[in-house]
Amino acid sequence: DAGITQSPRHKVTETGTPVTLRCHQTENHRYMYWYRQDPGHGLRLIHYSYGVKDTDKGEVSDGYSVSRSKTEDFLLTLESATSSQTSVYFCAISVGGRTEAFFGQGTRLTVV
Amino acid sequence: GESVGLHLPTLSVQEGDNSIINCAYSNSASDYFIWYKQESGKGPQFIIDIRSNMDKRQGQRVTVLLNKTVKHLSLQIAATQPGDSAVYFCAENLDFSGGYNKLIFGAGTRLAVHP
Repeated sequence: DAGITQSPRHKVTETGTPVTLRCHQTENHRYMYWYRQDPGHGLRLIHYSYGVKDTDKGEVSDGYSVSRSKTEDFLLTLESATSSQTSVYFCAISVGGRTEAFFGQGTRLTVV
Repeated sequence: GESVGLHLPTLSVQEGDNSIINCAYSNSASDYFIWYKQESGKGPQFIIDIRSNMDKRQGQRVTVLLNKTVKHLSLQIAATQPGDSAVYFCAENLDFSGGYNKLIFGAGTRLAVHP
């Protein structure tokens, strides 16, 4: 798993509640990414980070925010969860540039 | 636009046969492509990559072909085994000014290997 830990692995939450997912890496890689995976859509980029406190939006960033206060941690927050955010969330890391990304095991989030 | 897609959503093959999974991309400026394998309940795992200055790259039982003229790449798996059953994704690397990059994934192809 290339030193990536996602927590929690599973979560059920109610609509309107805040949720934070954590991605922790031990590789000291510069780039970290949050993707969501839904049937028929593959992996879609939510937000990514290219360094401490340096983040940017991906293609499906609405309703999500991120923070990266340390190299090893990248947090994804749903300020007010909606049913459309039910998905499997993957964190990934890479050295950057033309290198592959390594993925975590995923977090299955269900919003009821 | 920026998109990476796949021609076949599901591919069924017999054990021992060769498998070919195809992918089309739309950004002609992309210079790096990756194939990932995802087994049920797991995150995607790197299989093989190829840079745009190459048209073929081989790994163990896998070969990736890149045709920049038609913006198409394929993953060939030789002597397909039951353990190859998974969803396969191609990904396209996009570079931005400032040295930043991101990967754009296709929707995926499910490979089912039958005994």
